[in-house]
Amino acid sequence: GQQVMQIPQYQHVQEGEDFTTYCNSSTTLSNIQWYKQRPGGHPVFLIQLVKSGEVKKQKRLTFQFGEAKKNSSLHITATQTTDVGTYFCAGPHNAGNMLTFGGGTRLMVKP
Amino acid sequence: NAGVTQTPKFQVLKTGQSMTLQCAQDMNHNSMYWYRQDPGMGLRLIYYSASEGTTDKGEVPNGYNVSRLNKREFSLRLESAAPSQTSVYFCASSEGTWGSNQPQHFGDGTRLSIL
Repeated sequence: GQQVMQIPQYQHVQEGEDFTTYCNSSTTLSNIQWYKQRPGGHPVFLIQLVKSGEVKKQKRLTFQFGEAKKNSSLHITATQTTDVGTYFCAGPHNAGNMLTFGGGTRLMVKP
Repeated sequence: NAGVTQTPKFQVLKTGQSMTLQCAQDMNHNSMYWYRQDPGMGLRLIYYSASEGTTDKGEVPNGYNVSRLNKREFSLRLESAAPSQTSVYFCASSEGTWGSNQPQHFGDGTRLSIL
């Protein structure tokens, strides 16, 4: 079946350092979505990428969709303690009308 | 706006007990979903409903049933709870009837422990 894999599973950074999480799919995706979940909270939608090679920015966050539409990345520049949480990517499941979520990357920021 | 509301927020059950988790959304969304989240496992889809009157199985439906009571409400039922069903359960909704390409809005979750 389809899989969406994320690496790394965990990342500790010093405040001010950059952070990147990678998402890889075993199949071509029509779109990819990114969510953030704060500790003890619920996932919150961040962004959706649709086009091959697409790059979108939200302040210090940069999202990319690969040319082959099988991978994506989220890069945070100069992390802050407010960036702490787990970042999930999600892509359409090839069996129907649902999303498959990656396992998430948990970001911890040392002040 | 409340968005997606889940009740209860916490629950402890004994093995074999039954329970219904409630979910309601006030965004007039067509699609609704139930996920479970276990440590290190990400979010796994249990069931979803693309529109009022329809429900479909997700990745991990065994041991669960759902009801799409109306457009607003989508409930999840555990008929005979097992310790393996200890998890955090999230309800979500999205606007259209094809949910795989639309943002999903999540509730705060129900933390369920089964002893």
